[in-house]
Amino acid sequence: ETGVTQSPTHLIKTRGQQVTLRCSSQSGHNTVSWYQQALGQGPQFIFQYYREEENGRGNFPPRFSGLQFPNYSSELNVNALELDDSALYLCASSLDVRGAGGRTGELFFGEGSRLTVL
Amino acid sequence: LAKTTQPISMDSYEGQEVNITCSHNNIATNDYITWYQQFPSQGPRFIIQGYKTKVTNEVASLFIPADRKSSTLSLPRVSLSDTAVYYCLVGEEAAGNKLTFGGGTRVLVKP
Repeated sequence: ETGVTQSPTHLIKTRGQQVTLRCSSQSGHNTVSWYQQALGQGPQFIFQYYREEENGRGNFPPRFSGLQFPNYSSELNVNALELDDSALYLCASSLDVRGAGGRTGELFFGEGSRLTVL
Repeated sequence: LAKTTQPISMDSYEGQEVNITCSHNNIATNDYITWYQQFPSQGPRFIIQGYKTKVTNEVASLFIPADRKSSTLSLPRVSLSDTAVYYCLVGEEAAGNKLTFGGGTRVLVKP
């Protein structure tokens, strides 16, 4: 148990639709990051939020957007879904420790939301 | 941006020691090296993190040479439940906290 919960666990959408995935961070964590994991591949960084502001972004188009709320929970929104968006979407929370000279805080991952786009 | 390279897969037997080496030639001065374990249909789980020399915890050891261009995760006396994918991760704070997972190493532990 990591204390990070994601919803929904599974969902099916059709091409062109929009989807919102949700994540509740572990208590006390101020940073959340989202990853896309295609079958058989490693997680790919989408973006990270620190205290409600985007703090880093990977190579994903603008139709991937996010929010972090005052309670540090988060949403990932994907517009105009494409078939290649089918993947496991992982949320990870952490306690930012940037003051410790570049050390990346331990990431606590949720179980993921598996999205299938038809 | 630091990129990691790991073997695609490794086989081992119960009770053996498993060593997985990760290459990260472009690691930045302030980057830490972190390893995660992932079982099917689950999120990755933190194993160990280090900056240089050697770090040991209750489940693994991490060896980092002086040039820090590689690191080796050592799993002592593996069991069947250690069958998983292992990822080497290099923190890139200078690049806006863009964290890069490589392809991972699939470790299969046989009876």
